[in-house]
Amino acid sequence: RKEVEQDPGPFNVPEGATVAFNCTYSNSASQSFFWYRQDCRKEPKLLMSVYSSGNEDGRFTAQLNRASQYISLLIRDSKLSDSATYLCVVNRGQGGKLIFGQGTELSVKP
Amino acid sequence: SAVISQKPSRDICQRGTSLTIQCQVDSQVTMMFWYRQQPGQSLTLIATANQGSEATYESGFVIDKFPISRPNLTFSTLTVSNMSPEDSSIYLCSVAPGTDTQYFGPGTRLTVL
Repeated sequence: RKEVEQDPGPFNVPEGATVAFNCTYSNSASQSFFWYRQDCRKEPKLLMSVYSSGNEDGRFTAQLNRASQYISLLIRDSKLSDSATYLCVVNRGQGGKLIFGQGTELSVKP
Repeated sequence: SAVISQKPSRDICQRGTSLTIQCQVDSQVTMMFWYRQQPGQSLTLIATANQGSEATYESGFVIDKFPISRPNLTFSTLTVSNMSPEDSSIYLCSVAPGTDTQYFGPGTRLTVL
């Protein structure tokens, strides 16, 4: 079993749709959590950190449930430019090691 | 955040040769990391590049195959030695400028023939 698991993709949605990505992690000692976005043939870029209290950045909302070891990302009013692979990332806190999920590909269509 | 550059951006190499990838950051950072992203896969940490000491390698990666240098707080190199086609990947460096968040360089796309 992978340490960080994500919904399999791809997700194909129309513009304006709301889409939710789920992620689970197996190491209960994990300390911090992130969503990264990776465009085709580009490096991953930090989308947002994820906190237990939940956090929102415009159309993006991230949630963390430590008890269930579950992380989510909600994208409202999808834009064509949201098309990318979304990576769920966990920091174990041991020397800064990041563990990446396999990524979920999102394709937003006109 | 930090501005990170990598050289080369891409290369095509013959098997049995070695390639050294450079990573330069625009500010001093304590922690630098090297990752590999194989085709269609997510990122896997190769090693943590420690300034002034040997790199710390993850399971499955060894210094003889992936020697790393970290001469100062803004620069690191990763060498892929004695390459085979299985080493064809994107190699990325990242930095953690004081928080647990990491920022990535643009990557080096390596093809081994």
